[in-house]
Amino acid sequence: ETGVTQTPRHLVMGMTNKKSLKCEQHLGHNAMYWYKQSAKKPLELMFVYSLEERVENNSVPSRFSPECPNSSHLFLHLHTLQPEDSALYLCASSQDRIPRGGYTFGSGTRLTVV
Amino acid sequence: AQKVTQAQTEISVVEKEDVTLDCVYETRDTTYYLFWYKQPPSGELVFLIRRNSFDEQNEISGRYSWNFQKSTSSFNFTITASQVVDSAVYFCALTQTGANNLFFGTGTRLTVIP
Repeated sequence: ETGVTQTPRHLVMGMTNKKSLKCEQHLGHNAMYWYKQSAKKPLELMFVYSLEERVENNSVPSRFSPECPNSSHLFLHLHTLQPEDSALYLCASSQDRIPRGGYTFGSGTRLTVV
Repeated sequence: AQKVTQAQTEISVVEKEDVTLDCVYETRDTTYYLFWYKQPPSGELVFLIRRNSFDEQNEISGRYSWNFQKSTSSFNFTITASQVVDSAVYFCALTQTGANNLFFGTGTRLTVIP
């Protein structure tokens, strides 16, 4: 596989569930990102990882917990979410921490919290 | 501070018409990079173009063209002879020296009517 792969593509979860979103990149990139895209709202940066180290946490509630075990994998662990957390969650990667070359995005996970 | 403004929220055109999507940016840095991404209904953001602040040469790629003007801090995107497949949300983005991420505009939803 090439590019950035996100699984699952769709997820429905209850407010008391625990689930995880997975992102994998096969590009040899050193930085990975989580973005949230809600309806009618701009893209919101959530987390930035560079060489497996978190370099930015954009005031994200603790019910979202990222994990980056290596430079190719990024997870977003979810627990006790709220209905307003329903959104498209996009993972992206870039060659370097300063994304001069731009991002490569995954196809996203569409999350619905019921 | 850095900011990207896409004042056009939604645009509708009839197939074969030309359409220009506006992007105005703000940055104090002299070295920066500008991008356009396309987000079709499938959700994945697709990279279209990257421009650095030292290269004001306009670019044409098939039916797509980009007009970068530092004097007005604009990086506009024109689609010539639009097609239904051009229907998508288009995002303009900026990054600069020292930034950990891309700063996105709010996007312009383009609908091409057959």
